[in-house]
Amino acid sequence: GENVEQHPSTLSVQEGDSAVIKCTYSDSASNYFPWYKQELGKRPQLIIDIRSNVGEKKDQRIAVTLNKTAKHFSLHITETQPEDSAVYFCAASTGGFKTIFGAGTRLFVKA
Amino acid sequence: GAVVSQHPSWVICKSGTSVKIECRSLDFQATTMFWYRQFPKQSLMLMATSNEGSKATYEQGVEKDKFLINHASLTLSTLTVTSAHPEDSSFYICSANGAEKLFFGSGTQLSVL
Repeated sequence: GENVEQHPSTLSVQEGDSAVIKCTYSDSASNYFPWYKQELGKRPQLIIDIRSNVGEKKDQRIAVTLNKTAKHFSLHITETQPEDSAVYFCAASTGGFKTIFGAGTRLFVKA
Repeated sequence: GAVVSQHPSWVICKSGTSVKIECRSLDFQATTMFWYRQFPKQSLMLMATSNEGSKATYEQGVEKDKFLINHASLTLSTLTVTSAHPEDSSFYICSANGAEKLFFGSGTQLSVL
């Protein structure tokens, strides 16, 4: 089955700096890669996603890149703000939206 | 975006009792819903895929007789934790497909005493 690895597990940045979180997946059939932000005790919120026919997608301060050959995808947050502090999960899906999650990255943005 | 409602938000029960958790898609129909379990500071682990009108598909290591799933309509899936024990205490969260994206319910914090 699908396996998603995520790094780093913890990331601390200064406000205004960029943050990068990287994930790899194992199933070459995966074709949908969402990223979720989860605050303590709350549901995961979809922040951006990318499909396998696209290499990069950007939404304001957030961007995601996908390298299907290497089975890598990454989340980039620019101009980080304290409210960006949360746990971020990458995920991979092979369709039917059975989605497997990475272990999560705890992001701290220091003011 | 699509709305997924989950109830209850939290439940405390005695060991040996059963607990039912409901997951509803409010503004769309979901032939497939998913149930996840999340321990503190850990990731979301897929427990099972709930299919409307048919049996659920369980992930390896998940006891189907302990975690009963029913998906009787296109907008409702239920998860029943039977004979709950303290080790079943966790955050349970459902999800459903809406507009080709996966949306999550608000989660249920289960504490078994």
